[in-house]
Amino acid sequence: EAGVVQSPRYKIIEKKQPVAFWCNPISGHNTLYWYRQNLGQGPELLIRYENEEAVDDSQLPKDRFSAERLKGVDSTLKIQPAELGDSAVYLCASSLSGNQPQHFGDGTRLSIL
Amino acid sequence: GDSVTQMEGPVTLSEEAFLTINCTYTATGYPSLFWYVQYPGEGLQLLLKATKADDKGSNKGFEATYRKETTSFHLEKGSVQVSDSAVYFCALSGGAGSYQLTFGKGTKLSVIP
Repeated sequence: EAGVVQSPRYKIIEKKQPVAFWCNPISGHNTLYWYRQNLGQGPELLIRYENEEAVDDSQLPKDRFSAERLKGVDSTLKIQPAELGDSAVYLCASSLSGNQPQHFGDGTRLSIL
Repeated sequence: GDSVTQMEGPVTLSEEAFLTINCTYTATGYPSLFWYVQYPGEGLQLLLKATKADDKGSNKGFEATYRKETTSFHLEKGSVQVSDSAVYFCALSGGAGSYQLTFGKGTKLSVIP
């Protein structure tokens, strides 16, 4: 089966610019996650979707971050405006349901100049 | 809240050496425990898991046993290969009824010929 697909793989932008990441989960996976992984750290959850509903967005910095999963399939994570501290790898994961193992994409590495 | 502590790296071993990466956790309830592996430039891959006390997860020669009495889930492999060089993350979920994965900081393993 095809894995979780993320794009772009790399993104370099100047601070204060907007940026968006896209994720296509494994077909049939109802649960989708966005994580941020800072250098030398483990991933930290930003938001979790069950189908099209965001059921846990407590860790999402809502002043500049937004996410959507309109049809309950693919998802977009946006940052506007980006800050230097947002440089990280943004990982998307999906699972059949919330209590099933998560499968990760290769991530988008974001660098802010 | 839930937390995972794993041994600091980096760890450098010669090929065919024995590997142990320590992991301890703090969680309420009865969490599931995982080891994920991240190869350079890639996302995380599930290596093994255990869902209840005394369960042993195993895959590709790696093993870990869920020890509730010591709140530990140490990763072991009897004979490492150069291809095992990667970052290893210990993680838990379901500690407080939550499906969120909580990760340790990761341990970088380098295996030299």
